[in-house]
This record gives sequence, C-alpha cells and structure tokens, in this order.
Amino acid sequence: EVQLVQSGAEVKKPGESLKISCKGSGYSFTSYWIGWVRQMPGKGLEWMGIIYPGDSDTRYSPSFQGQVTISADKSISTAYLQWSSLKASDTAMYYCARGESSSGWYYYFDYWGQGTLVTVSS
Amino acid sequence: EIVMTQSPATLSVSPGERATLSCRASQSVSSNLAWYQQKPGQAPRLLIYGASTRATGIPARFSGSGSGTEFTLTISSLQSEDFAVYYCQQYNNWPPAGYTFGQGTKLEIK
Repeated sequence: EVQLVQSGAEVKKPGESLKISCKGSGYSFTSYWIGWVRQMPGKGLEWMGIIYPGDSDTRYSPSFQGQVTISADKSISTAYLQWSSLKASDTAMYYCARGESSSGWYYYFDYWGQGTLVTVSS
Repeated sequence: EIVMTQSPATLSVSPGERATLSCRASQSVSSNLAWYQQKPGQAPRLLIYGASTRATGIPARFSGSGSGTEFTLTISSLQSEDFAVYYCQQYNNWPPAGYTFGQGTKLEIK
C-alpha cells in the first residue's frame, strides 16, 4: 500500500527556520516525483515544487522559487520542505504528494500525505 | 504561468441530481488536466487524470471531459459523500514545473 506520512504540526515564530518531512512507503521512492502543495487557511491549493528523489532534480513554481527549499534523502525514503526564515504569511497546511504519469512526461498527484499544519506567530 | 479558472465558485445541487463543474485554462494544456476532491479536514483525493480517466477506486458517476482549454467534471447522481470542494489542475509542462490549480468549486447541498 502506497503511503506518504508527514511530520506533525509545527508552531514557530517569525524569523525561525523549519524543515518538515514526508516519508514514502509501499513503492519505489526513487522512481517517482514528490511534490509539495500549500493550502492557506480557507483557501485553495497552490503547487509549490517537485523533486525526483532518484537524482534530486528539483523544480519550483515561480511563486515559491527562493522562498523554500525542497530536498530528499533517498536512503530513508523521505522528502523535505524547508524555510530559512519563516513569515506569518507562511501559515498554512502543507501537503506532499506523489507524482504519477501515464505518459512519462507529465505528472499529476495520485497519492497525498495527510498534511502538516505550520503556524507562524509571534 | 497558466491560469486555471473554475466556475461556478459555489454550486448548489440536490442529492440524486447531476452536477456539472467547469474549468478553463488560459492556454492549451492538451489533455493534461486532473480533478481532485477535498473534504473538510482531509487531504485532496485524485478523481480524474488525463482529462477523462478515472483514478483507481473512483465511482463511475464521476466523469471528465474536454481538451485544450475547456474541461468539465460531471457527477451524474449526487450522493451525500460527494459534497466537497473540487479542484482542477493542469500539468502540461516538461520538466514538471509551474503546474497550477484552479481556485476550486464548492459543491453544496441544495
């Protein structure tokens, strides 16, 4: 059974750093892209970026380039999303999701993690 | 960046009736369009990919159609568990980057 299990909720202060995780199981972690999606309170879904754990090829949405860093440790089947200096506007639910493709070129998300709630408040 | 626009923002339908949700892309995305369902407090769930292919385990009452810039998700006979928010997403880039979601349609009970 494919599972993506995310780390628990975080409460941080502005300016602090943070790294959240997403552990994949039940499939070959290095053979599928893993993406991150932001959902701000009461709002819609925003595609942030994606990583291929097999070679760490990473791509970002223009809106998130330079704002976050996506990485992966294939030895423990875990992807990460990190911030170096959080802002109140980073308060949101963050989902990881597995990228699947029927063509080998274009990727939709077929399995999702349960989400990690990040709250940034002074 | 491709902008995805969903309509209507809210759709009120009675159980047993048909619901039709629309999604428009600002430029062609071919058939690289997915639909997701999200219920309160839950992660999104994949319903449709490739504009018209149902994901594993998705009931036949869900169907998708369209290509290019105009897409439709149809739920043929609404069940109580179908009331949720629905998002379309385009994934028409290689390498994967800049994929975008629509703003969502909330399907509520009439």
